[in-house]
Amino acid sequence: EAQVTQNPRYLITVTGKKLTVTCSQNMNHEYMSWYRQDPGLGLRQIYYSMNVEVTDKGDVPEGYKVSRKEKRNFPLILESPSPNQTSLYFCASSLFPGAEAFFGQGTRLTVV
Amino acid sequence: ELKVEQNPLFLSMQEGKNYTIYCNYSTTSDRLYWYRQDPGKSLESLFVLLSNGAVKQEGRLMASLDTKARLSTLHITAAVHDLSATYFCAVDFTGNQFYFGTGTSLTVIP
Repeated sequence: EAQVTQNPRYLITVTGKKLTVTCSQNMNHEYMSWYRQDPGLGLRQIYYSMNVEVTDKGDVPEGYKVSRKEKRNFPLILESPSPNQTSLYFCASSLFPGAEAFFGQGTRLTVV
Repeated sequence: ELKVEQNPLFLSMQEGKNYTIYCNYSTTSDRLYWYRQDPGKSLESLFVLLSNGAVKQEGRLMASLDTKARLSTLHITAAVHDLSATYFCAVDFTGNQFYFGTGTSLTVIP
């Protein structure tokens, strides 16, 4: 089954404790991206990747890092999480940037 | 500024009625996307519109794109309860970055 898998689905952590949210797709898509969803703000793009070892900043990259060492994986790293990063995070992939996007199930992160 | 605006933000409509959701954007683009999100769920792709005048239909939903007016519409025909969800439009301004509207929360009342 074609899918984008994120882990974990829910995470509560403390300020400053490094964490990684994983994202994996099985569709051989080249384009992957991360979004955060906050009430009243819609989705905002954090980082995106056009292919292996090619990543770039989206609209709200501060406080986040990503890597793309393999085509299927695109982890999101928060090196020192802060409460303002409490949000619902989505990973998405598509064959190329203009193609239909497939979203993961989301990760609800709470930073206390 | 790269901006995408949707209206209305909230829409309550009776079953069987028609309505339109509007998506305006701030600068030139010919790539626009519509998504649906059910409560507590992920986003599902509805339509990909890639040129001026593009029109796509799926069931009771029809989306169109007017790049000159920087406007896309999502038209709902004879609404049914199953269409209750939040609908987002998204615009690709740069060829690889996506900007989303704030969403339209649709409730269809029996």
